[in-house]
Amino acid sequence: EVQLLESGGGLVQPGGSLRLSCVASGFTFSTYAMSWVRQAPGRGPEWVSGISGNIVSTYYADSVKGRFTISRDNSKNTLYLQMNSLRADDTAVYYCAKPDWGYAFDMWGQGTMVTVSS
Amino acid sequence: EIVMTQSPATLSVSPGERATLSCRASQSVSANLAWYQQKPGQAPRLLMYGAASRATGVPDRFSGSGSGTQFTLTISSLQPEDSAVYFCQQYNDWPPLTFGGGTKVEIK
Repeated sequence: EVQLLESGGGLVQPGGSLRLSCVASGFTFSTYAMSWVRQAPGRGPEWVSGISGNIVSTYYADSVKGRFTISRDNSKNTLYLQMNSLRADDTAVYYCAKPDWGYAFDMWGQGTMVTVSS
Repeated sequence: EIVMTQSPATLSVSPGERATLSCRASQSVSANLAWYQQKPGQAPRLLMYGAASRATGVPDRFSGSGSGTQFTLTISSLQPEDSAVYFCQQYNDWPPLTFGGGTKVEIK
């Protein structure tokens, strides 16, 4: 069964850091690009960052560039998102997502909640 | 950045009736357009890709059309389980990948 399982969310103060993880199973992880997508309460999804399967290329939304870092360990089938200098508007459910058919996301994790508040 | 605009914000449809959802792109995205369904407390689920291709397991009452800047998702005969929020997403020109704000489909 294809599965993505995120962890690492929680409550953090403004200016703080968190590291999200996403463990993949059921497919050949290293052959797929992966992304992080977030969704603030009551809002549409917002793409945050993506990384190629071979780790050569990384991409970021302007809203997180310079603060977030995406990485992956293909030996552990794991995707990461290091989030620094967190702000209140980073509060959202963070999903890892697997793209296919171009860059439509055919698989999503269950999400992990990140709350940035003092 | 390509801006995706969805309409209407909310759609109320009786069971068995047709639901038509619209998505407009601020510039052409060719047919590189996906639709998702999201129910409360769940992750989005891919319905359509390439504007008109159904994802695995999606019932054939769902269909997509359009290219360029105007797209439509049609639910031919609305079922109670189709109550959800629907999002479109373009993947023609990125980063960033961009999503619409969503259309909430309610059962009348």
